[in-house]
Amino acid sequence: EAQVTQNPRYLITVTGKKLTVTCSQNMNHEYMSWYRQDPGLGLRQIYYSMNVEVTDKGDVPEGYKVSRKEKRNFPLILESPSPNQTSLYFCASSWGLARVGNEQFFGPGTRLTVL
Amino acid sequence: QQQVKQSPQSLIVQKGGISIINCAYENTAFDYFPWYQQFPGKGPALLIAIRPDVSEKKEGRFTISFNKSAKQFSLHIMDSQPGDSATYFCAASITGSARQLTFGSGTQLTVLP
Repeated sequence: EAQVTQNPRYLITVTGKKLTVTCSQNMNHEYMSWYRQDPGLGLRQIYYSMNVEVTDKGDVPEGYKVSRKEKRNFPLILESPSPNQTSLYFCASSWGLARVGNEQFFGPGTRLTVL
Repeated sequence: QQQVKQSPQSLIVQKGGISIINCAYENTAFDYFPWYQQFPGKGPALLIAIRPDVSEKKEGRFTISFNKSAKQFSLHIMDSQPGDSATYFCAASITGSARQLTFGSGTQLTVLP
Protein backbone atom coordinates (compact mmCIF):
# COMPACT_ATOMS: atom_id res chain seq x y z
CA GLU A 1 0.00 0.00 0.00
CA ALA A 2 1.32 3.41 -1.02
CA GLN A 3 1.71 5.51 2.08
CA VAL A 4 3.60 8.05 4.12
CA THR A 5 4.35 6.93 7.67
CA GLN A 6 5.33 9.04 10.64
CA ASN A 7 6.61 8.08 14.06
CA PRO A 8 5.79 8.67 16.78
CA ARG A 9 2.14 9.62 16.39
CA TYR A 10 2.02 11.26 19.79
CA LEU A 11 4.87 12.72 21.82
CA ILE A 12 5.03 14.66 25.06
CA THR A 13 8.43 16.06 25.94
CA VAL A 14 10.05 18.81 27.98
CA THR A 15 11.74 21.99 26.91
CA GLY A 16 15.25 21.48 25.59
CA LYS A 17 15.17 17.72 25.14
CA LYS A 18 16.21 16.89 21.60
CA LEU A 19 13.77 14.83 19.58
CA THR A 20 13.36 13.41 16.10
CA VAL A 21 10.15 12.70 14.23
CA THR A 22 10.66 10.19 11.46
CA CYS A 23 8.94 10.21 8.08
CA SER A 24 9.13 7.52 5.45
CA GLN A 25 7.42 7.06 2.07
CA ASN A 26 7.25 3.97 -0.13
CA MET A 27 6.26 5.65 -3.41
CA ASN A 28 9.77 6.56 -4.60
CA HIS A 29 8.80 10.24 -4.46
CA GLU A 30 11.52 12.79 -4.99
CA TYR A 31 9.82 15.64 -3.11
CA MET A 32 9.18 15.56 0.62
CA SER A 33 8.01 18.25 2.98
CA TRP A 34 7.17 18.98 6.61
CA TYR A 35 4.22 21.09 7.72
CA ARG A 36 2.88 22.15 11.06
CA GLN A 37 -0.82 22.64 11.63
CA ASP A 38 -2.07 25.12 14.21
CA PRO A 39 -5.65 26.24 14.90
CA GLY A 40 -6.63 29.21 12.79
CA LEU A 41 -3.38 29.12 10.80
CA GLY A 42 -3.86 26.10 8.56
CA LEU A 43 -0.78 24.19 7.48
CA ARG A 44 2.52 26.00 7.21
CA GLN A 45 5.55 24.56 5.52
CA ILE A 46 8.63 24.07 7.70
CA TYR A 47 11.20 22.52 5.35
CA TYR A 48 11.15 20.71 2.05
CA SER A 49 13.48 18.49 0.07
CA MET A 50 13.57 18.11 -3.69
CA ASN A 51 15.85 15.08 -3.59
CA VAL A 52 18.55 13.34 -1.59
CA GLU A 53 20.88 15.85 0.08
CA VAL A 54 18.78 18.78 -1.26
CA THR A 55 16.77 20.63 1.39
CA ASP A 56 15.49 24.17 1.80
CA LYS A 57 13.54 26.32 4.22
CA GLY A 58 9.80 26.76 4.08
CA ASP A 59 7.78 29.48 5.78
CA VAL A 60 8.50 28.60 9.43
CA PRO A 61 11.93 26.89 9.67
CA GLU A 62 13.16 28.43 12.94
CA GLY A 63 13.93 25.81 15.58
CA TYR A 64 13.86 22.88 13.19
CA LYS A 65 16.39 20.85 11.22
CA VAL A 66 15.95 18.22 8.55
CA SER A 67 18.12 15.79 6.63
CA ARG A 68 17.59 13.73 3.48
CA LYS A 69 20.22 11.00 3.32
CA GLU A 70 17.93 8.47 1.67
CA LYS A 71 15.17 9.07 -0.84
CA ARG A 72 12.48 7.44 1.29
CA ASN A 73 13.25 9.12 4.64
CA PHE A 74 12.96 12.74 5.75
CA PRO A 75 13.31 13.14 9.54
CA LEU A 76 12.39 16.33 11.36
CA ILE A 77 14.75 17.26 14.18
CA LEU A 78 14.01 19.61 17.08
CA GLU A 79 17.35 20.08 18.81
CA SER A 80 16.00 22.21 21.68
CA PRO A 81 12.21 22.09 21.65
CA SER A 82 10.24 24.97 23.13
CA PRO A 83 6.56 25.22 24.10
CA ASN A 84 5.77 27.26 20.97
CA GLN A 85 6.62 24.17 18.93
CA THR A 86 3.65 22.34 20.42
CA SER A 87 1.69 21.50 17.29
CA LEU A 88 0.42 18.85 14.91
CA TYR A 89 3.08 17.93 12.37
CA PHE A 90 2.57 16.41 8.93
CA CYS A 91 5.04 14.93 6.52
CA ALA A 92 4.10 14.89 2.83
CA SER A 93 5.60 13.57 -0.39
CA SER A 94 5.03 13.92 -4.13
CA TRP A 95 6.72 13.06 -7.42
CA GLY A 96 8.15 16.53 -7.92
CA LEU A 97 7.41 20.21 -8.05
CA ALA A 98 3.95 21.72 -7.82
CA ARG A 99 1.78 21.08 -10.84
CA VAL A 100 -1.62 19.71 -11.75
CA GLY A 101 -1.70 15.98 -11.22
CA ASN A 102 1.28 16.03 -8.89
CA GLU A 103 -0.62 15.39 -5.71
CA GLN A 104 1.00 15.67 -2.31
CA PHE A 105 0.37 12.64 -0.10
CA PHE A 106 0.26 13.35 3.62
CA GLY A 107 1.20 11.17 6.55
CA PRO A 108 -1.16 10.61 9.51
CA GLY A 109 0.39 13.33 11.65
CA THR A 110 2.43 13.59 14.85
CA ARG A 111 0.95 15.48 17.76
CA LEU A 112 3.78 17.03 19.75
CA THR A 113 3.44 18.65 23.16
CA VAL A 114 6.41 20.48 24.63
CA LEU A 115 6.06 21.22 28.36
CA GLN B 1 1.20 37.23 6.06
CA GLN B 2 -1.60 34.89 5.04
CA GLN B 3 -1.66 34.72 1.27
CA VAL B 4 -4.80 32.57 1.16
CA LYS B 5 -7.72 33.65 3.34
CA GLN B 6 -10.45 31.11 4.06
CA SER B 7 -13.93 31.51 5.53
CA PRO B 8 -15.90 30.57 7.47
CA GLN B 9 -13.84 29.01 10.25
CA SER B 10 -16.66 26.62 11.07
CA LEU B 11 -19.86 25.63 9.32
CA ILE B 12 -22.87 23.60 10.42
CA VAL B 13 -25.23 22.30 7.74
CA GLN B 14 -28.23 20.03 7.81
CA LYS B 15 -28.08 16.76 5.90
CA GLY B 16 -29.06 17.39 2.29
CA GLY B 17 -28.09 21.04 2.40
CA ILE B 18 -25.39 22.92 0.49
CA SER B 19 -22.07 23.67 2.16
CA ILE B 20 -20.11 26.63 0.81
CA ILE B 21 -16.54 27.50 1.78
CA ASN B 22 -14.82 30.55 0.35
CA CYS B 23 -11.18 31.42 -0.24
CA ALA B 24 -9.42 34.52 -1.50
CA TYR B 25 -5.83 34.84 -2.59
CA GLU B 26 -3.42 37.71 -3.08
CA ASN B 27 -0.61 36.38 -5.25
CA THR B 28 -1.64 36.58 -8.91
CA ALA B 29 1.13 34.12 -9.78
CA PHE B 30 -0.86 31.29 -8.20
CA ASP B 31 -2.11 28.99 -10.95
CA TYR B 32 -3.24 25.82 -9.19
CA PHE B 33 -5.95 25.71 -6.55
CA PRO B 34 -6.60 22.40 -4.76
CA TRP B 35 -8.93 21.63 -1.91
CA TYR B 36 -7.92 19.16 0.78
CA GLN B 37 -10.20 17.21 3.10
CA GLN B 38 -9.02 16.13 6.54
CA PHE B 39 -10.81 13.71 8.84
CA PRO B 40 -10.00 13.63 12.57
CA GLY B 41 -6.74 11.79 13.24
CA LYS B 42 -5.80 11.69 9.57
CA GLY B 43 -3.63 13.71 7.25
CA PRO B 44 -5.16 15.96 4.59
CA ALA B 45 -6.09 14.30 1.30
CA LEU B 46 -6.65 15.90 -2.08
CA LEU B 47 -10.36 16.34 -2.78
CA ILE B 48 -10.60 18.37 -5.98
CA ALA B 49 -8.47 20.95 -7.77
CA ILE B 50 -8.85 23.64 -10.43
CA ARG B 51 -6.69 25.75 -12.70
CA PRO B 52 -7.60 29.41 -13.41
CA ASP B 53 -8.33 28.77 -17.10
CA VAL B 54 -11.70 27.28 -16.11
CA SER B 55 -14.42 28.89 -14.01
CA GLU B 56 -15.90 25.72 -12.57
CA LYS B 57 -15.00 22.11 -11.96
CA LYS B 58 -17.38 19.46 -10.72
CA GLU B 59 -16.68 16.03 -9.32
CA GLY B 60 -19.73 14.28 -7.99
CA ARG B 61 -21.26 16.41 -5.24
CA PHE B 62 -18.19 18.65 -5.02
CA THR B 63 -17.81 21.76 -7.18
CA ILE B 64 -15.10 24.40 -7.27
CA SER B 65 -16.10 27.83 -8.57
CA PHE B 66 -13.29 30.15 -9.60
CA ASN B 67 -13.37 33.92 -10.14
CA LYS B 68 -10.00 35.03 -11.48
CA SER B 69 -10.77 38.74 -11.58
CA ALA B 70 -11.87 38.75 -7.94
CA LYS B 71 -9.07 36.38 -6.94
CA GLN B 72 -11.58 34.16 -5.19
CA PHE B 73 -12.55 30.51 -5.33
CA SER B 74 -15.04 28.45 -3.44
CA LEU B 75 -16.01 24.87 -2.68
CA HIS B 76 -19.64 23.84 -2.90
CA ILE B 77 -20.77 20.54 -1.43
CA MET B 78 -24.20 19.61 -2.72
CA ASP B 79 -26.52 17.28 -0.82
CA SER B 80 -24.17 17.38 2.18
CA GLN B 81 -23.92 14.13 4.16
CA PRO B 82 -22.80 13.41 7.73
CA GLY B 83 -19.82 11.58 6.21
CA ASP B 84 -18.68 14.91 4.75
CA SER B 85 -18.03 16.21 8.26
CA ALA B 86 -14.34 17.08 8.20
CA THR B 87 -11.95 20.01 8.03
CA TYR B 88 -11.52 21.48 4.57
CA PHE B 89 -8.47 23.44 3.46
CA CYS B 90 -8.16 25.48 0.32
CA ALA B 91 -4.67 25.91 -1.06
CA ALA B 92 -2.80 27.59 -3.86
CA SER B 93 0.47 27.06 -5.60
CA ILE B 94 2.59 28.17 -8.52
CA THR B 95 3.30 25.51 -11.14
CA GLY B 96 6.90 24.43 -10.88
CA SER B 97 7.42 26.01 -7.48
CA ALA B 98 9.46 24.07 -4.99
CA ARG B 99 7.45 25.65 -2.19
CA GLN B 100 4.39 23.63 -3.18
CA LEU B 101 1.23 24.63 -1.37
CA THR B 102 0.10 27.71 0.55
CA PHE B 103 -2.87 26.70 2.67
CA GLY B 104 -5.88 28.58 3.98
CA SER B 105 -6.71 28.42 7.67
CA GLY B 106 -9.28 25.63 7.34
CA THR B 107 -13.03 25.23 7.78
CA GLN B 108 -14.49 22.68 10.15
CA LEU B 109 -17.66 21.37 8.55
CA THR B 110 -20.31 19.55 10.57
CA VAL B 111 -23.24 17.99 8.74
CA LEU B 112 -26.11 17.18 11.08
CA PRO B 113 -28.11 13.99 10.45
